Amino acid sequence: GESVGLHLPTLSVQEGDNSIINCAYSNSASDYFIWYKQESGKGPQFIIDIRSNMDKRQGQRVTVLLNKTVKHLSLQIAATQPGDSAVYFCAERNPRNTGANSKLTFGKGITLSVRP
Amino acid sequence: KAGVTQTPRYLIKTRGQQVTLSCSPISGHRSVSWYQQTPGQGLQFLFEYFSETQRNKGNFPGRFSGRQFSNSRSEMNVSTLELGDSALYLCASSLAWSTEAFFGQGTRLTVV
Repeated sequence: GESVGLHLPTLSVQEGDNSIINCAYSNSASDYFIWYKQESGKGPQFIIDIRSNMDKRQGQRVTVLLNKTVKHLSLQIAATQPGDSAVYFCAERNPRNTGANSKLTFGKGITLSVRP
Repeated sequence: KAGVTQTPRYLIKTRGQQVTLSCSPISGHRSVSWYQQTPGQGLQFLFEYFSETQRNKGNFPGRFSGRQFSNSRSEMNVSTLELGDSALYLCASSLAWSTEAFFGQGTRLTVV
C-alpha cells in the first residue's frame, strides 16, 4: 500500500543554520509532491512542490530535492529563522489511485524547533 | 485574493448530533478537498469535489458526506457524531488536478 513517512519526529536547529527535513515515500507511481508547513492553530501552508520529472526545485530560502531511485524527498531551509518553527508535512499524489484527482497522502509530520 | 475560508472556526457538539461545516475556496478554484487531522492519525483524506461531482473518497464511514455547489463552495456533514470524530477538519482548494492545494485554517470540532 502507499505510505509517506518521515524519518525523524522532531528536529532542533540553531537559528541561522540550515535545516534538512527528510521524507520517504513508498509509492513509485506518485508523480507530484508537496511540502507544507503548519503553525499552531493554523491550517497547512503550501511551501513548495515538485513534479516527478524534476529532481530539484528552489524557492525563497527553500529547496526541495527528489530522489526517485530511493523514493526520498527532502526540504532544505537556508538560514533557519525562529519563524520557521512549525510542523512540516510532506505529501504525495498518486495519479493511479482509483478515481484519484486531488487526493494527497500526508506523512505524519516533523516538528522543527529553532533555537535562538 | 482571499484565501480558503472555513466556517465555523470552532464547534462543540454532543454525541449523536450532526454537524455541517462550510468551505469557500479561493476564487477561481474548482477543486475542493476535505481532510481530517488528529494527533494520532495525522492528516487523512475525506473526499474531493470538482465541478460539483465527488471525484474521490477516503476510507471514512458513510456518516461523513459532502457536497459542492455551483459556485464551488463546499460543505461536509457528519451525522451521528462520535467522540472519535473530534478533530481539526481542513478544506483545501486547487485550480485543478495536480496543482498546488491551499488549505483553510480549519474547523476545530469537539464532540462531548
